[in-house]
Amino acid sequence: ESVLTQSPATLSLSPGERATLSCGASQTISNNYLAWYQHKPGLAPRLLIYDASSRPTGIPDRFSGSGSGTDFTLTISRLEPEDFAVYYCQQYGTSPTFGQGTRLEIK
Amino acid sequence: EVLLVESGGGLVQPGGSLRLSCAASGFTLKTYSINWVRQAPGKGLEWLSYISSSSFTTYYADSVKGRFTISRDNVKDSVYLQMSSLRDEDTAVYYCARQLVVAAAMVNHYYGLDVWGQGTTVTVSS
Repeated sequence: ESVLTQSPATLSLSPGERATLSCGASQTISNNYLAWYQHKPGLAPRLLIYDASSRPTGIPDRFSGSGSGTDFTLTISRLEPEDFAVYYCQQYGTSPTFGQGTRLEIK
Repeated sequence: EVLLVESGGGLVQPGGSLRLSCAASGFTLKTYSINWVRQAPGKGLEWLSYISSSSFTTYYADSVKGRFTISRDNVKDSVYLQMSSLRDEDTAVYYCARQLVVAAAMVNHYYGLDVWGQGTTVTVSS
């Protein structure tokens, strides 16, 4: 089972800035089965990225994912006010796990 | 609209049991695998269990293995999570989430969890 470590734990930025969130895996994630989710209090988590870099229909293109193997990144090119939330990476497949989350807060 | 709706949460004493349900609206549940995920108060997301579309394959996190059982009824378009021997640390919001799994050339390709329910709250307390 791969342990996912996200950094930083908290990221303080202003609207319009670029956000870079990291997710490191203790073992190589096969098939790049790595997803990113946005979670706001009281709401359902929202899938932003799957297969490390693919964006589902309806997700704005300011969200992008990159990486392979054990190191992955979620980039938000220009932060909008609605982007401030907690972000989780997840490795899926036969033994899924989530990272501990990165809180993106308004500076 | 494509929705998942969880139900069955509530207050239960330690050692007790509870069955959560997950129902689909706007799509056919039987074509998807389903996962259960929870979030304890002040904590992050924790994956719990997975069931394939045919029920042939199930997986569990170590934290719930032997205590929780996932099942589905494709006629009723529902997935269930039977929880027993509940502990204080099982207190959480429980979500179901769908996952597309495509079989190609004898290999399954998995996709992310693209539709989630709003969650149902389970409180384990005496």
